[in-house]
Amino acid sequence: EVQLVQSGAEVKKPGESLKISCKAYGYIFSSYWIGWVRQMPGKGLEWMGIIYPGDSDTRYNPSFQGQVTISADKSISTAYLQWSSLKASDTAMYYCAKTNGYTAYDDGFDIWGQGTVVTVSS
Amino acid sequence: QPVLTQSSSASASLGSSVKVTCTLSSGHSGYIIAWHQQQPRKAPRFLLKLTSAGSYNKGSGVPDRFSGSSSGADRYLTISNLQSEDEADYYCETWDSNARVFGGGTKLTVV
Repeated sequence: EVQLVQSGAEVKKPGESLKISCKAYGYIFSSYWIGWVRQMPGKGLEWMGIIYPGDSDTRYNPSFQGQVTISADKSISTAYLQWSSLKASDTAMYYCAKTNGYTAYDDGFDIWGQGTVVTVSS
Repeated sequence: QPVLTQSSSASASLGSSVKVTCTLSSGHSGYIIAWHQQQPRKAPRFLLKLTSAGSYNKGSGVPDRFSGSSSGADRYLTISNLQSEDEADYYCETWDSNARVFGGGTKLTVV
């Protein structure tokens, strides 16, 4: 079964760093683009960025460029989303999602992770 | 880049049908979109991918009650024989050469 399993909930203080993960099962991880999507409390979905694990080609939504770093380790079929200095406004649910496209922008997301809630509070 | 517009809410009766609309911005009426369902306190789930011609491909395990259609810049998700578990937020998604975009979501209430 194709699935994405994300790491558990995190509670952090402003200024701390964080790296959350998304492990893929049931398909060739290195062959499909995988993205990250933010959902702030009570709000809609926002695309943050996307990575091709085969060669780590990464694209960012300009709104998130420089705010987060997306990476992947194809040897363990895992994608990552990280922050170097969290802010209270980073409090949200974060989802990883896989596409079927050959490029970063030619297909929609077809498999979603279960989400990781990140709470940033002093 | 394209913009997707959705009504914020919709409601329909148990056992009836409802059509949820996603409208593409001017100049993007030929775009393919995807529909996703987000039940309360759950992750989104891919429902179907829909072309401008109205053909669609559904995700694995998506019930036959879900279908898609298109007219111009409008993309529709129709849910027939509404069930209580269909009460959810529905998001459309599209993409182009350098961006991926979600609509604002439609909250469907089953009464």
